[in-house]
Amino acid sequence: GENVEQHPSTLSVQEGDSAVIKCTYSDSASNYFPWYKQELGKGPQLIIDIRSNVGEKKDQRIAVTLNKTAKHFSLHITETQPEDSAVYFCAASSGGTSYGKLTFGQGTILTVHP
Amino acid sequence: KAGVTQTPRYLIKTRGQQVTLSCSPISGHRSVSWYQQTPGQGLQFLFEYFSETQRNKGNFPGRFSGRQFSNSRSEMNVSTLELGDSALYLCASSGGLAGGGGEQFFGPGTRLTVL
Repeated sequence: GENVEQHPSTLSVQEGDSAVIKCTYSDSASNYFPWYKQELGKGPQLIIDIRSNVGEKKDQRIAVTLNKTAKHFSLHITETQPEDSAVYFCAASSGGTSYGKLTFGQGTILTVHP
Repeated sequence: KAGVTQTPRYLIKTRGQQVTLSCSPISGHRSVSWYQQTPGQGLQFLFEYFSETQRNKGNFPGRFSGRQFSNSRSEMNVSTLELGDSALYLCASSGGLAGGGGEQFFGPGTRLTVL
């Protein structure tokens, strides 16, 4: 089955710096890659996603890149703010009737220091 | 539009008991997926229901089961509870259209503690 590896497990940055989180996946059939942000006491919140027919997607300060050949994808957060502090998860799905099954990475604890 | 709701938010049970958790998806969504979140294993997929049918299943023992009703609301059941079943159980809903969509939106979860 699919396996998703996520690095780093913890990331500490100063406010205004950029943060990058990287994930690799094993199943070449995977074609949908969402990113979630989870704050304490809450469920994961979808922040951005990318599909295999796109190499990059951006939404304000957040961007995601995908390299299908290397089977890795990354989350980039620019101009970080203290409210960006949370646990971030990457995930992968092979789409179609398997869209409902996401395989998650282990998570990255991001701390943004004021 | 209301989000995904899960009840109850917290549960305390003892070993050997059974428990039922409930999830109401976003209005109009037909797919409900369940995940278990623990500090050691992270987020793990349990199963997915679409139009009252189990469409996908993760690698969990048969003690974990679920169902979906005609209004898309879903329940999951865990029988013969073990200490290791203590976790946050998350429900996610999506439009569920095969070949399209795919975005999953999570509820706040049910925190289950097994004593």
